[in-house]
Amino acid sequence: EAQVTQNPRYLITVTGKKLTVTCSQNMNHEYMSWYRQDPGLGLRQIYYSMNVEVTDKGDVPEGYKVSRKEKRNFPLILESPSPNQTSLYFCASSMQATAYEQYFGPGTRLTVT
Amino acid sequence: AQSVAQPEDQVNVAEGNPLTVKCTYSVSGNPYLFWYVQYPNRGLQFLLKYITGDNLVKGSYGFEAEFNKSQTSFHLKKPSALVSDSALYFCAVRDVLHAGSNYQLIWGAGTKLIIKP
Repeated sequence: EAQVTQNPRYLITVTGKKLTVTCSQNMNHEYMSWYRQDPGLGLRQIYYSMNVEVTDKGDVPEGYKVSRKEKRNFPLILESPSPNQTSLYFCASSMQATAYEQYFGPGTRLTVT
Repeated sequence: AQSVAQPEDQVNVAEGNPLTVKCTYSVSGNPYLFWYVQYPNRGLQFLLKYITGDNLVKGSYGFEAEFNKSQTSFHLKKPSALVSDSALYFCAVRDVLHAGSNYQLIWGAGTKLIIKP
């Protein structure tokens, strides 16, 4: 089954404790992206990757890091989480970054206390 | 500046009635337009897209949308609503002319659709 998986689905952590949210897709997609969803703000892009070893900042990259060492994986790293990073996070992938629809993971709800 | 507006936070429709979820956009060049749906505790799912060609596009679950260039709109429609259509709907646009290296999607804030039995 074609899918995007994220882990963990739920995470409660404390300020400053490094964490990683994993994302994996099995569709051989070139383009991958991380979003955060906050009430009333829609989706905001954090980072994206056009292909392996090619990543770039989206609209709200501060406090986040990513890597793309393999085509299928695109982990999101929070080196020192803060309460304002409490949000719902989605990973998405698409064949390419142009006219193609994106496939979304189920989401990771992160709470930073 | 590029933007997408979904003017209604919430739309209430009785089951069996037609529904419309509105979306207007502002881009400099030609738009690629998308609709996605989010069911509770789920990720977003693609519904339909307009790239070029026929202004009326059909998508999943009986939904359709009409691209209106003069009004810069891309409203989502369905002739007969189902209770199971209740969800959060997002419109998104990509500016083809100014895609740059990101081809970034610009997202609307979302519209909550409630279908009452």
